[in-house]
Amino acid sequence: SQTIHQWPATLVQPVGSPLSLECTVEGTSNPNLYWYRQAAGRGLQLLFYSVGIGQISSEVPQNLSASRPQDRQFILSSKKLLLSDSGFYLCAWSTGVGGAEQFFGPGTRLTVL
Amino acid sequence: AQSVAQPEDQVNVAEGNPLTVKCTYSVSGNPYLFWYVQYPNRGLQFLLKYITGDNLVKGSYGFEAEFNKSQTSFHLKKPSALVSDSALYFCAAPYNNNDMRFGAGTRLTVKP
Repeated sequence: SQTIHQWPATLVQPVGSPLSLECTVEGTSNPNLYWYRQAAGRGLQLLFYSVGIGQISSEVPQNLSASRPQDRQFILSSKKLLLSDSGFYLCAWSTGVGGAEQFFGPGTRLTVL
Repeated sequence: AQSVAQPEDQVNVAEGNPLTVKCTYSVSGNPYLFWYVQYPNRGLQFLLKYITGDNLVKGSYGFEAEFNKSQTSFHLKKPSALVSDSALYFCAAPYNNNDMRFGAGTRLTVKP
């Protein structure tokens, strides 16, 4: 069966510090991978998605970047965090087949102080 | 491309009563529609999806959803609500072949 991991679960960082959040998927190959941000327990904002190693699509211009160094690894980064980067970050995967659902990781709660 | 809307921010029901969480869609072509649930401080969990076929789709935890083409709706339903059903519910649809767009979410509260 497939599983998706995210770490850390929670993170408190000062403004201006760097960020690295990691997501890994097990039990599948060549998944589509996604990073979302959720503010205030509400709607999801798609940040990045990837259909393969080294292939990253950005949905919104922002202070963040993403990388996919391995097939089942997706990393969200920032060089300098802003207060507005606080939120709940969710990683997800899908098979990429039309009509396929996405499966979400447990999320990372980021607080920027 | 498709989009969805959830007209209600909050739904309150009493335990044991039927519940409905509403979703409407705007679509070009055949719609793919999904429902997810999110419990506090957790990731989203897939509940059910409509691709084609029977308009009544059954999913996890006793939930079902009815696809209504004439009303462009895909409402989530359960015959008898439980307190443990209290959560945030999201309707979703593919935006293109590679990503999903989610509604704003509806917070369901089931009171004992």
